Amino acid sequence: NAGVTQTPKFQVLKTGQSMTLQCAQDMNHNSMYWYRQDPGMGLRLIYYSASEGTTDKGEVPNGYNVSRLNKREFSLRLESAAPSQTSVYFCASRVSSNQPQHFGDGTRLSIL
Amino acid sequence: SQQGEEDPQALSIQEGENATMNCSYKTSINNLQWYRQNSGRGLVHLILIRSNEREKHSGRLRVTLDTSKKSSSLLITASRAADTASYFCATPQRTGANSKLTFGKGITLSVRP
Repeated sequence: NAGVTQTPKFQVLKTGQSMTLQCAQDMNHNSMYWYRQDPGMGLRLIYYSASEGTTDKGEVPNGYNVSRLNKREFSLRLESAAPSQTSVYFCASRVSSNQPQHFGDGTRLSIL
Repeated sequence: SQQGEEDPQALSIQEGENATMNCSYKTSINNLQWYRQNSGRGLVHLILIRSNEREKHSGRLRVTLDTSKKSSSLLITASRAADTASYFCATPQRTGANSKLTFGKGITLSVRP
């Protein structure tokens, strides 16, 4: 009963490096989300996928790309990491609109 | 843009006391959700209250919703040290055929043993 699984849990990058954060859910949920959480800022939506085959920008999409690989998996890519992207990244999923979201335990990313 | 705003930002109480947290929002909603986040973990859904409901209970949690005032409150009764966490309210915003959640900045609750 894994729920939402994020990998890796921790990562340190140098400015300019690229990286893909992985997220997988085993609950057959249609919608998936990527958030970043910074001190004093709450959660901010980066990108989301309402259903397999669709992706849309959230509040803070600049510097990121996403891929909804299949119904289970939704990845977040940083093409050229910047120190401003140091954050904790959370993936979430839900079965449909107006239903609760289920969260992974996050990826803690530091960019030097 | 921030839809939900929690109040207070931080709350410190003694074990056994009740904790009341408030959330205000700006636009009309069809439901409001509360989540808890323990240190170093992801958010966990606590309770969802629909716009046609005024009060909802789940164990030691009581949530109220006042759509006329655009506000909600979360009451935790007989608090325990394990209730120490951050609490967030979240409201859906429609984007075309879909909706996405907007989270507040959270309330940090400390329960002293």
